[in-house]
Amino acid sequence: GENVEQHPSTLSVQEGDSAVIKCTYSDSASNYFPWYKQELGKRPQLIIDIRSNVGEKKDQRIAVTLNKTAKHFSLHITETQPEDSAVYFCAATKGNMLTFGGGTRLMVKP
Amino acid sequence: SAVISQKPSRDICQRGTSLTIQCQVDSQVTMMFWYRQQPGQSLTLIATANQGSEATYESGFVIDKFPISRPNLTFSTLTVSNMSPEDSSIYLCSVSDRQEYFGPGTRLTVL
Repeated sequence: GENVEQHPSTLSVQEGDSAVIKCTYSDSASNYFPWYKQELGKRPQLIIDIRSNVGEKKDQRIAVTLNKTAKHFSLHITETQPEDSAVYFCAATKGNMLTFGGGTRLMVKP
Repeated sequence: SAVISQKPSRDICQRGTSLTIQCQVDSQVTMMFWYRQQPGQSLTLIATANQGSEATYESGFVIDKFPISRPNLTFSTLTVSNMSPEDSSIYLCSVSDRQEYFGPGTRLTVL
């Protein structure tokens, strides 16, 4: 089955700096890669996703890149704000079932 | 996006008992899933709830421990049977409609 590795497990940045979270996947047939943000005590919320026919996607301060050859994808957050502090999960799927990475706890220091 | 609700939001149970968690969606969806999220951990898929047929379980999860019902396209239940403290976790349902959305979760504590 699919295996998704996510790094780093924790990330601390200063407000205004950029944050990058990286994931690798094992199944070359995976074709959909969402990112979720989970604040403490709340449900995971989809923040951005990318499909395998696209190399990059951007939504305001958030961008995701996908390298199908290397089987890795990354989340980039620019101009970080304290409200970006949360746990972020990457995931991969080739059908309907998501396989999640281990999560990254992002802390943005004001 | 679909609006998903779960009941109960939290519960504290005694070991050896069972708890049934309900998941309700405001629209008909084909795919519904149940996940477990242990404290400080990622999400692990328990099973796919199939409407009109038996659920499809992932490795490490069995029907006797986690029976699932899916009587229609808007509702599903997950039962955690014969609970032990190791079952203490957050249980989330999700629905997939090109994108996957999660319910608010049920926080279960087993004493």
